[in-house]
Order: sequence, then structure tokens, then C-alpha cells
Amino acid sequence: EEQLVESGGGLVQPGGSLKLSCAASGFSLNSYSMNWVRQAPGKGLEWVSYIVGGGSATNYVDSVKGRFTISRDSAKNLLYLQMDSLRAEDTAVYHCARGAGLRFDYWGQGTLVTVSS
Amino acid sequence: QSALTQPRSVSGSPGQSVTISCTGTNTNVGDYKYVSWYQQHPGEAPKLMIYDVNKRPSGVPDRFSGSKSGNTASLTISGLQAEDEGDYYCCSYAGSNTWVFGGGTKLTVL
Repeated sequence: EEQLVESGGGLVQPGGSLKLSCAASGFSLNSYSMNWVRQAPGKGLEWVSYIVGGGSATNYVDSVKGRFTISRDSAKNLLYLQMDSLRAEDTAVYHCARGAGLRFDYWGQGTLVTVSS
Repeated sequence: QSALTQPRSVSGSPGQSVTISCTGTNTNVGDYKYVSWYQQHPGEAPKLMIYDVNKRPSGVPDRFSGSKSGNTASLTISGLQAEDEGDYYCCSYAGSNTWVFGGGTKLTVL
């Protein structure tokens, strides 16, 4: 059974860094595109980042370009999101989501990132 | 990368039908046949309900259906049931490996 479990969230000061992880089970991360989608408290979903399956092509929502980096460790079946220069508006639950075609077919429960002094 | 527009809330009684609209632009909803819909219950991960405008993943009841006309996509839920209550989000592919979501609609089953 396919499963995604995020970790690494927490409280960080503005300007700080945090690295999120997403552990996949039941499938190989390398065979699928993967995404990060966030949800600010009481708000809707926002797509954040994409990495192609089996390759290194990536993309980001404009608001995080130059600050966030998505990557994958195929041997460990882990997806990452390195978040630098964090801002208060980055506060959200971050979900990893598997891409299938141009949809997101499996999601993790998410990990909460709070940016505050 | 502006969010798609959804009504903040809709409601219906058990057995009735409701439709949730999702309005975008000719750079996302209007340009691609890749609209998907997600159901989210409080504290849970989103669940894929409709993809490619009108396709249902296995296990999703056929009470859920999707359509699109121009820049507006719609999700219709017929024969409402109590467990359908929750938040619903539309999402459209926007080209160049980017996606845009709607602001979400809270469905209340009266």
C-alpha cells in the first residue's frame, strides 16, 4: 500500500532554515514525479514545488523561488524540501504528494512549519 | 499564479445534489483538460476525487462527477451523504510543471 509520511517541521525564526523529509513506502519515488503542497492555517492548498520522476527537473511557485529546494534520495526513497530565508508567510502544514499524470494521487498527512520570533 | 475561485461554502440535505464551481483563466482551467478535485476532512490528508476534468479514481463513488466549460470547472455530488461533508479543492495544471489550487469550498450536509 502506498504511503507518504512527512517529518522535519517545527518552529523556526524568520530568516532561518528547515529541511523537510517525506518517506515513501509501497512504491519507488524515482518512478514518479513528486510535489510539495502547503496549507496555511485556516487557508486553502497551495502547490509549492515539483520534481520530475527519474530526473532532476524541478519547478517552484514564484513566492519560494530562490529560497526552497526540492530533491530526492532514491536509495533511501526520501523526498526533501530545503527551506531557507523563511518568512512568516511560509507558516503552513507542508504535504508531500505523488504525481500521477497531472494530478496528485497520494498525499501525506503533512508536517507543520511555524515561522515566528 | 492566482488561485482559482471557488464559493466559500455550499450546503445540501441528504439525498440532494450540490455543485461546486471553480473559475480560472485561459492560462489554466481554460487551457488544459487537467482539472482535479480533492476532498479534505479536518486533520486529514486531501483525497483525490476527480481527475482530468471528469474521471474518477477507483473507489470513488459515481455520485461524484466533474465537468468543465470554458474557464469554469464544476464538481457535482449527487445523493448527498453525511460523510461527504468536508472541504473541497479544485486544482488545475497551469503549464510548465506548475499547478494552481482553488481557495476551497466547505460543504455542509444539513
